[in-house]
Amino acid sequence: EAQVTQNPRYLITVTGKKLTVTCSQNMNHEYMSWYRQDPGLGLRQIYYSMNVEVTDKGDVPEGYKVSRKEKRNFPLILESPSPNQTSLYFCASSLSGGRVTNEKLFFGSGTQLSVL
Amino acid sequence: GESVGLHLPTLSVQEGDNSIINCAYSNSASDYFIWYKQESGKGPQFIIDIRSNMDKRQGQRVTVLLNKTVKHLSLQIAATQPGDSAVYFCAESFIEIIFGKGTRLHILP
Repeated sequence: EAQVTQNPRYLITVTGKKLTVTCSQNMNHEYMSWYRQDPGLGLRQIYYSMNVEVTDKGDVPEGYKVSRKEKRNFPLILESPSPNQTSLYFCASSLSGGRVTNEKLFFGSGTQLSVL
Repeated sequence: GESVGLHLPTLSVQEGDNSIINCAYSNSASDYFIWYKQESGKGPQFIIDIRSNMDKRQGQRVTVLLNKTVKHLSLQIAATQPGDSAVYFCAESFIEIIFGKGTRLHILP
């Protein structure tokens, strides 16, 4: 089944403790992206990647890192999480770059992160 | 700030009636528009899309209308069912994709 898989679904951590949220897609998509979703603010893009070893900042990149060593994986790293990063996070992918070719995004099921 | 918004945060519709969810966008250069459905505890799911060279597109029970003159997008759901209960949000795209904040569709029995 074609899908975007995120792990974990729920995560509670404390301020400053490094964490990684994994994202994997099995559709051979070139484009992958991370969003955070907050009440009243909608989906905001954190980072995106047009292809392997190519990553770019989105609208809210501060406090986050990403890597794209393989086509299928796009982990989101919080080196020193803070309470304002408590949010619902979504990974998404599309075939060849939603930003340029206007293709629909496929989303993962989300990761609810709470930073205490 | 957001350039894509929805007119109502919550819409209540009687089961069996048609639902109309509206969206305003601000970038007249946007040439691709998408509607997503997000059920509780799930990620957004693609419903239907439309390109700027069209003004109407139909899917199964859903229709998207695009009015470029007033920069307005709408999603019509025919014969609304309990399974349609979700948050719906639009997205516009030109170089980058911008999402609206969403409208929660509540189905009345």
